[in-house]
Amino acid sequence: KAGVTQTPRYLIKTRGQQVTLSCSPISGHRSVSWYQQTPGQGLQFLFEYFSETQRNKGNFPGRFSGRQFSNSRSEMNVSTLELGDSALYLCASSRDGDLGPETQYFGPGTRLLVL
Amino acid sequence: AQSVTQLDSQVPVFEEAPVELRCNYSSSVSVYLFWYVQYPNQGLQLLLKYLSGSTLVESINGFEAEFNKSQTSFHLRKPSVHISDTAEYFCAVRTYNQGGKLIFGQGTELSVKP
Repeated sequence: KAGVTQTPRYLIKTRGQQVTLSCSPISGHRSVSWYQQTPGQGLQFLFEYFSETQRNKGNFPGRFSGRQFSNSRSEMNVSTLELGDSALYLCASSRDGDLGPETQYFGPGTRLLVL
Repeated sequence: AQSVTQLDSQVPVFEEAPVELRCNYSSSVSVYLFWYVQYPNQGLQLLLKYLSGSTLVESINGFEAEFNKSQTSFHLRKPSVHISDTAEYFCAVRTYNQGGKLIFGQGTELSVKP
C-alpha cells in the first residue's frame, strides 16, 4: 500500500507570495491532518479534515487555510507569506475506527523556505 | 488543554547501552499516547502507542514504553541501543474528543556513539 505522499518536497518563495501544498493520504484514509515543524516551536497542529469538512483547527492565523476533496486528498494554502512561515509542513492521514481516528501515518513533508 | 513535556532535549549514549527517554503529559481528560521517531530529512514514523489495555507497550524494534497514569508519564526505554537508533523522538498525546489532533513534546535527540 502506498504511503502518504506530499508535493512538492521543497519550495522556495518570497515574502508576500502565497503557496499551496498538497497531500495524498493512504488509500481508505479519510482523515488528513497538517502540522508545522520549526526548530523554535517544534511540531504544531494546523488543522484536520475529515470527509471534506474541517474537524479541528489549531492556533494559526487566517492566512493558513486548507481543504479536502472528495477523494480525501487535501491541500493547504498559506497567503501573504512571512519569513517565519519557513518550516517543514507535515501531513498525516488515518482511518476512523470505533475509538475515533486510528494511528496517524505521516508523509515526508514539504520544506518551505521563505526569503 | 493538554501539554507534553519531554524532559531531555538531547540524550547521548554509547552503543549497546540502555536508554530511557522521558515524557510527561498534562491533561484533564483521558488521552491516547504515542511515540514517534524522525530520522534526518524524513517525516515521522510511529514507534508505539497506548490506547487502552496493558500499560506496557512494545515496538517491533526493541523499544517499549509504560503508561503510568498516576505519574502522568509515558517513558520510552530500550535495553540496548544501536547506531541506527540515532534520531529525534517525539512523545505525543491525543484526547478522545479532539479527532486527530496530536499535541507533541519538543522532542529528544538521541545520539548513539560507537
